[in-house]
Amino acid sequence: DAGVTQSPTHLIKTRGQQVTLRCSPKSGHDTVSWYQQALGQGPQFIFQYYEEEERQRGNFPDRFSGHQFPNYSSELNVNALLLGDSALYLCASSLVTGAHEQYFGPGTRLTVT
Amino acid sequence: QKEVEQNSGPLSVPEGAIASLNCTYSDRVSQSFFWYRQYSGKSPELIMSIYSNGDKEDGRFTAQLNKASQYVSLLIRDSQPSDSATYLCAVRGGKLTFGQGTILTVHP
Repeated sequence: DAGVTQSPTHLIKTRGQQVTLRCSPKSGHDTVSWYQQALGQGPQFIFQYYEEEERQRGNFPDRFSGHQFPNYSSELNVNALLLGDSALYLCASSLVTGAHEQYFGPGTRLTVT
Repeated sequence: QKEVEQNSGPLSVPEGAIASLNCTYSDRVSQSFFWYRQYSGKSPELIMSIYSNGDKEDGRFTAQLNKASQYVSLLIRDSQPSDSATYLCAVRGGKLTFGQGTILTVHP
């Protein structure tokens, strides 16, 4: 049973650049949520995708956007990168029905210089 | 007031003792409650979920929920050094909201 996968593992970008992170959900899951985790903090909710639409959004600027594909995989795009965007980006998958338990992928460590 | 609050610790317990981790939340309509374990440099791993008042046991872990007091806890019995990690409380109303985590250290 394949778990949640994310790519790339690590990424270094320069201020002002754009980045795309990718996520494949756990087999059988249909919902993908994205989180940003700064060092020493809990994950902060960015947004959630279901049926290829953004269903919920946290308190993040429009520079953060996403997409979900028909196979349930998802992308997180961040434009005009700031130093403060440096963090661990986590993808979690779940089922829209039932217990809504979310399972995390290994994360992408983004460093903005 | 933060939506989900945890004591950041660190909480240090000897091997074999009971570790008690606490969490309070502000949204009374929250319906689902989760505990995640996160080892340094790794992603969070779901270890317990609880949805109704009372206790839920799974091996050495017991989750306790009191919706009237807006309080959820995690007890780890017979703590092992391998339990040393950050424990994240997460609460679901609409979205899933995490506390900042409690660092647990189990020393031999």
